Amino acid sequence: DGGITQSPKYLFRKEGQNVTLSCEQNLNHDAMYWYRQDPGQGLRLIYYSQIVNDFQKGDIAEGYSVSREKKESFPLTVTSAQKNPTAFYLCATGDFAGANVLTFGAGSRLTVL
Amino acid sequence: AQSVTQPDIHITVSEGASLELRCNYSYGATPYLFWYVQSPGQGLQLLLKYFSGDTLVQGIKGFEAEFKRSQSSFNLRKPSVHWSDAAEYFCAVGVLGGSNYKLTFGKGTLLTVNP
Repeated sequence: DGGITQSPKYLFRKEGQNVTLSCEQNLNHDAMYWYRQDPGQGLRLIYYSQIVNDFQKGDIAEGYSVSREKKESFPLTVTSAQKNPTAFYLCATGDFAGANVLTFGAGSRLTVL
Repeated sequence: AQSVTQPDIHITVSEGASLELRCNYSYGATPYLFWYVQSPGQGLQLLLKYFSGDTLVQGIKGFEAEFKRSQSSFNLRKPSVHWSDAAEYFCAVGVLGGSNYKLTFGKGTLLTVNP
């Protein structure tokens, strides 16, 4: 099945620890995105990547880092510098062969204790 | 910078009633416009999109939306709501800047459906 796999679905961490969220896709889409969702805030863009080995900061990149070493993978690290990391994180991919539509994964919920 | 406003945080309708969810956008050129739906704890599913052409677009699950350039709006409608439509709905604008493309989302409208 083609799709986007985010793991883990639920993650608990202690304050001060870095955590890495995985996003893998087999849709052969060039672009990948990370959004953060908080209640009543909608989705806010953290980082995005249009091609391998290149990525751009979104609106709320502080305290986060990413890498894009393979087309299929775009992991997000939530560092200890992120002041309020508890949130729902959504990964998406983009196919721009005439569509400009983003396809979303099922999300990862991070809770920092 | 582009922005999206969804004025209604929460809407409650009765099953079988009609529905309209409002969306206003701010962007200098003709945008790509989208409506997505999200069930609790899940990812987002695309309902419909507008790029150009006919300003009334049809989507999945019986939804439609109308692009009105003069009002900078892209409201979502459904003639008869089903209980399964209860979810959160997000309007988004797609913007191409150079070779970079991204979606900006509104804060969402939570739909409750009463039996």
